Amino acid sequence: AQKITQTQPGMFVQEKEAVTLDCTYDTSDPSYGLFWYKQPSSGEMIFLIYQGSYDQQNATEGRYSLNFQKARKSANLVISASQLGDSAMYFCAMREGGSNDYKLSFGAGTTVTVRA
Amino acid sequence: GAGVSQSPSNKVTEKGKDVELRCDPISGHTALYWYRQSLGQGLEFLIYFQGNSAPDKSGLPSDRFSAERTGGSVSTLTIQRTQQEDSAVYLCASSWSRESTDTQYFGPGTRLTVL
Repeated sequence: AQKITQTQPGMFVQEKEAVTLDCTYDTSDPSYGLFWYKQPSSGEMIFLIYQGSYDQQNATEGRYSLNFQKARKSANLVISASQLGDSAMYFCAMREGGSNDYKLSFGAGTTVTVRA
Repeated sequence: GAGVSQSPSNKVTEKGKDVELRCDPISGHTALYWYRQSLGQGLEFLIYFQGNSAPDKSGLPSDRFSAERTGGSVSTLTIQRTQQEDSAVYLCASSWSRESTDTQYFGPGTRLTVL
């Protein structure tokens, strides 16, 4: 079964508007971390934001915020005041806390195109 | 530099040749990971190092793939007798430790093309 599901293959957003990227996850581990990465056309994976399963508050980093709904197992990324430089592929990823699980499991990604 | 570096950035090889991909993690990071990104498979985990040992090799697709890490720093991923299906971007990442809360920071990747 897919551990991370991103249902939006592509999205268009107008410059200066906000956009929400969906991510749902599947795990039975009570301890896990959720991550969002940005991959521009240059190819590098850039870390954006992290949310831990025990965190009480939603994570925020500048224009990025994570809408964490634990009961629904969703971790949506919100990008506020979109900029042209935000055009990229965005990946949601999870790392489970089990002692033998070190890898990140990634979703398929969402391509965001910001229009001027 | 401060980030993860990888070399070469691009590698074109002929089917059947061996290739070596290099990763230089962030200084002080004890954990190192290799992933592969291809069109059909998305992002796949290959192998994980803690220090110089590799407790998790579960993602290596075949025995043609091997990796080592020396001095708790640089890692080399070797693909022997390359096949066209090995064509992909190979990404290396590092983190302070193996804890699930630790962010993995990625390098720019090596784009491998097997002709």
